[in-house]
Amino acid sequence: AQSVAQPEDQVNVAEGNPLTVKCTYSVSGNPYLFWYVQYPNRGLQFLLKYITGDNLVKGSYGFEAEFNKSQTSFHLKKPSALVSDSALYFCAVRPFAAGNKLTFGGGTRVLVKP
Amino acid sequence: NAGVTQTPKFRVLKTGQSMTLLCAQDMNHEYMYWYRQDPGMGLRLIHYSVGEGTTAKGEVPDGYNVSRLKKQNFLLGLESAAPSQTSVYFCASSSLREVIQETQYFGPGTRLLVL
Repeated sequence: AQSVAQPEDQVNVAEGNPLTVKCTYSVSGNPYLFWYVQYPNRGLQFLLKYITGDNLVKGSYGFEAEFNKSQTSFHLKKPSALVSDSALYFCAVRPFAAGNKLTFGGGTRVLVKP
Repeated sequence: NAGVTQTPKFRVLKTGQSMTLLCAQDMNHEYMYWYRQDPGMGLRLIHYSVGEGTTAKGEVPDGYNVSRLKKQNFLLGLESAAPSQTSVYFCASSSLREVIQETQYFGPGTRLLVL
């Protein structure tokens, strides 16, 4: 069975500093990987996805993520964090054979301080 | 387009009561999903549907039933609510057209408190 781990419950970063949110996964076969963001009292919003091709994926709001097959990781990054990036971030994996069903990590809360 | 909408936004139930959560999408998506979100556990799939008239169990289906009588609607029912079902419930939908690559679009959530 597939699984996703987000080892940090919370990440604190100063505005303007780089932001990294970690994600590792376990899945049989080729993974399809996703990042979603949830702002307070809102549903999840899609940020970016890795399906195939270039290991560096660029997404919405200046975020990017790097797929590392050997380390089974898909860390989310942003070069310069904004206070408005404060939210709950979820990593998700969809195995090739799972149709369209996502398995989510537990989430990482990001707090960007001015 | 309204996207994915959920009704109600918030509900308080007593143990043993029943209720139905409504999800509606106007994107003509084939796939629809119900998740529950609990602190530290991410989202867990309750039930899903790959088309009108079809439903399937997800990761945590016990205590819930679903129906997809119309393509645009996906109902989640709790026949006899329990405190363990206190959670935030999210509905999502996605297209079949590129099923592997399509993202899921989420509704704003329903907060349910079972006393």
